[in-house]
Amino acid sequence: ETGVTQTPRHLVMGMTNKKSLKCEQHLGHNAMYWYKQSAKKPLELMFVYNFKEQTENNSVPSRFSPECPNSSHLFLHLHTLQPEDSALYLCASSQAEGQSSPLHFGNGTRLTVT
Amino acid sequence: LAKTTQPISMDSYEGQEVNITCSHNNIATNDYITWYQQFPSQGPRFIIQGYKTKVTNEVASLFIPADRKSSTLSLPRVSLSDTAVYYCLVGDIIRGSTLGRLYFGRGTQLTVWP
Repeated sequence: ETGVTQTPRHLVMGMTNKKSLKCEQHLGHNAMYWYKQSAKKPLELMFVYNFKEQTENNSVPSRFSPECPNSSHLFLHLHTLQPEDSALYLCASSQAEGQSSPLHFGNGTRLTVT
Repeated sequence: LAKTTQPISMDSYEGQEVNITCSHNNIATNDYITWYQQFPSQGPRFIIQGYKTKVTNEVASLFIPADRKSSTLSLPRVSLSDTAVYYCLVGDIIRGSTLGRLYFGRGTQLTVWP
């Protein structure tokens, strides 16, 4: 148990579908992150939220839409994805922006786009 | 952002001590060094963080020489369950960069054999 829970663990969707990934943290943290991990590539930071405000969008295509309704929940809304978007999507949290606070990761959602 | 260089892979046997070295020649004065561990289909897990000299916790030790251009993660008496990818990260704390924005790289795949 990492304190960061992601659902679903696995998701298969067609290119015309709309789906959402959910992340919830029970650690009292104020910063939350979405990462993408593709096979044979380093982790890529996608979005950062600090106190519910988006502070980073790392040139992510608009078919990925994040939502952070409060400091404990983070969503990633997906629509009209491409097969190359298949990857492990990881959510993380930290106390707040600042390196003295380590990241705590969830176990990810394995997404397959057909 | 300071990038890091690590060996792509390492092999060891159960009960041995493993040392993974990370090069970070462009490390800045305010940068800390952080190590993460990742098992397949799981999110990375924080192991240890340090600034200089030596840091030790219940899991590992981190050795940082005076010039801070490299660091060594030491895992005492590894077991099969230590087989994982290990990431070295370097980043700035004073200028407000988040740990989440740091470069993970490809990490080092450690395989422990019986």
